[in-house]
Amino acid sequence: QVQLVQSGAEVKKPGSSVKVSCKASGGTFNTYAVTWVRQAPGQGLEWMGGITPIYGTPHYPQSFRGRVSITADESSTTAYMELNRLTADDTAVYYCASRAAYGFDAFDTWGQGTMVTVS
Amino acid sequence: DIQLTQSPSSLSASVGDFVTITCRATQSISAYLNWYRQRPGQAPELLIYAGYTLHTGVPSRFGVSGSGTEFALTISSLEPEDFATYYCQQTYTSPLYTFGQGTKVEIK
Repeated sequence: QVQLVQSGAEVKKPGSSVKVSCKASGGTFNTYAVTWVRQAPGQGLEWMGGITPIYGTPHYPQSFRGRVSITADESSTTAYMELNRLTADDTAVYYCASRAAYGFDAFDTWGQGTMVTVS
Repeated sequence: DIQLTQSPSSLSASVGDFVTITCRATQSISAYLNWYRQRPGQAPELLIYAGYTLHTGVPSRFGVSGSGTEFALTISSLEPEDFATYYCQQTYTSPLYTFGQGTKVEIK
């Protein structure tokens, strides 16, 4: 079973960018799909996009297209989410989650979350 | 885009109660629906996938019904760890996904 460990909390200025990492261990990285979900304080879950390293092409919802970039580095078994042009509305906990690329389509492993504060 | 609407947004219940949470989709998604539980301060955890299948280790007090546009998650006898927020997620448009807005189950 893969485990996901995310990078630490960040404080950013409006207009800047943030890059959050998600290191996978305990599984074969390129056989997993990784997704990113965020949660603003007191709010629900918002899907930001995902990538399957073995295929390489990321997928984003319209709401984030052009502002988010999701990548994966197989050599370090780490996925990254970079969000640009930050505003206060991007203050949230950012989670990575994974599923087996050839298994059921649901995210059964989650990182611990990374708090990003834009102020 | 497919939108998911959960109801109620919140509910109050006691340990041992039977609880139902519904998730309605703006178009048919067959059984391409997952459910997650998120306890306070924790990451979400997968409960049910592909409409009806309980994830490994999920207790049998969790049940599901529905297909198409209307789905229900039931908890037959609430345990203390079930006081949490529940989310549905559609995978019909995979690899693009959406979540419902969540239903918070609070202690009465």
